Amino acid sequence: EAAVTQSPRNKVAVTGGKVTLSCNQTNNHNNMYWYRQDTGHGLRLIHYSYGAGSTEKGDIPDGYKASRPSQENFSLILELATPSQTSVYFCASGDTDRGLEQYFGPGTRLTVL
Amino acid sequence: QQQVRQSPQSLTVWEGETAILNCSYENSAFDYFPWYQQFPGEGPALLISILSVSNKKEDGRFTIFFNKREKKLSLHIADSQPGDSATYFCAARTGGNNKLTFGQGTVLSVIP
Repeated sequence: EAAVTQSPRNKVAVTGGKVTLSCNQTNNHNNMYWYRQDTGHGLRLIHYSYGAGSTEKGDIPDGYKASRPSQENFSLILELATPSQTSVYFCASGDTDRGLEQYFGPGTRLTVL
Repeated sequence: QQQVRQSPQSLTVWEGETAILNCSYENSAFDYFPWYQQFPGEGPALLISILSVSNKKEDGRFTIFFNKREKKLSLHIADSQPGDSATYFCAARTGGNNKLTFGQGTVLSVIP
């Protein structure tokens, strides 16, 4: 069974502060993704990675950085958080060598005050 | 711009009816279309998917109908159950990469 975990599950941050969202997967998947979910927009891709040490910009990367230090871990970093980044963030993993499915974590609810 | 569009935004059906969720897209390069189901407080989970070389995919009560010429697809949920109440996302992938583009979702409510 695929397993993607995220921490923290809930986070309140102040405007201008630094926020780091963490994701861990035990599927040994090469690819990992960060999405944000907002009403009316569905899920939008922020950053993704093809493997340890690689990060790629998604469709809405502005204001976000990503880090993939290992196969298992993928972080999303907000250096200067803004209220517009209040959202629910989902991490996912996948491996096209083993199918096209992406497996999602439970999400992190971020509120920037 | 929204490359994948879903309609309706919300849908209410009675238990036992067939729910029909619609999806359209703009990019002819999309070749894989998964539907994800999401319950409140959880992450999305793959429900059923179809490749653009097919026009129909069935899995139990769930069926995807795909029309490549019109760039439309639909998810039919037969014999809807209250447990099917969830948000459904249509997504699309461009052949050659692993990125998914999601629609805005349809909230389905099934009334007992």
